[in-house]
Amino acid sequence: QKEVEQDPGPLSVPEGAIVSLNCTYSNSAFQYFMWYRQYSRKGPELLMYTYSSGNKEDGRFTAQVDKSSKYISLFIRDSQPSDSATYLCAMSERGSNYKLTFGKGTLLTVNP
Amino acid sequence: GAGVSQSPSNKVTEKGKDVELRCDPISGHTALYWYRQSLGQGLEFLIYFQGNSAPDKSGLPSDRFSAERTGGSVSTLTIQRTQQEDSAVYLCASSTGGIELFFGEGSRLTVL
Repeated sequence: QKEVEQDPGPLSVPEGAIVSLNCTYSNSAFQYFMWYRQYSRKGPELLMYTYSSGNKEDGRFTAQVDKSSKYISLFIRDSQPSDSATYLCAMSERGSNYKLTFGKGTLLTVNP
Repeated sequence: GAGVSQSPSNKVTEKGKDVELRCDPISGHTALYWYRQSLGQGLEFLIYFQGNSAPDKSGLPSDRFSAERTGGSVSTLTIQRTQQEDSAVYLCASSTGGIELFFGEGSRLTVL
């Protein structure tokens, strides 16, 4: 079992839909949880990060962490065609925040 | 302001040849990272440099892989005697040492 599991999709939704992206993990030492967005042929860019359990909201994006279930989610409200990209979850242990463990990424397409 | 610059953007080589990939980080960033993104595998940590500290090489897959960082700035990732399984996108990132990594667009390596 890989440390981080992420459904690769692809996921296709109409514009305006609510999107839910998820990852599960097995390493209970993970403390930092991140979501990166990667457009085709580009490098990943950080969308959001959270430390420990709870929710964090930034505009149309909400990140959720449930450490008891080892499950993290990213919700996108009012999805736009410009949100079409691959979404990567990433995690790291406290004291080793440079060594990220990534999920394989979920390819999202938002259709106008 | 310039982002992380990587070269070459594409490299095709024959099995058994050596390749060098270059990364120019964001000015002032003390931390530099190399990750590898293989098809269907997600991003894998390779190596981390922070200031004058000894690098964390724990992610290098074999002794054919090496990296150096000169003058605390530019870094070169060298792969000796390339194999077909080395084909991947090699991503460099830099940071101030915090949570957010700033990635370059990557060097796409194809080993024939």
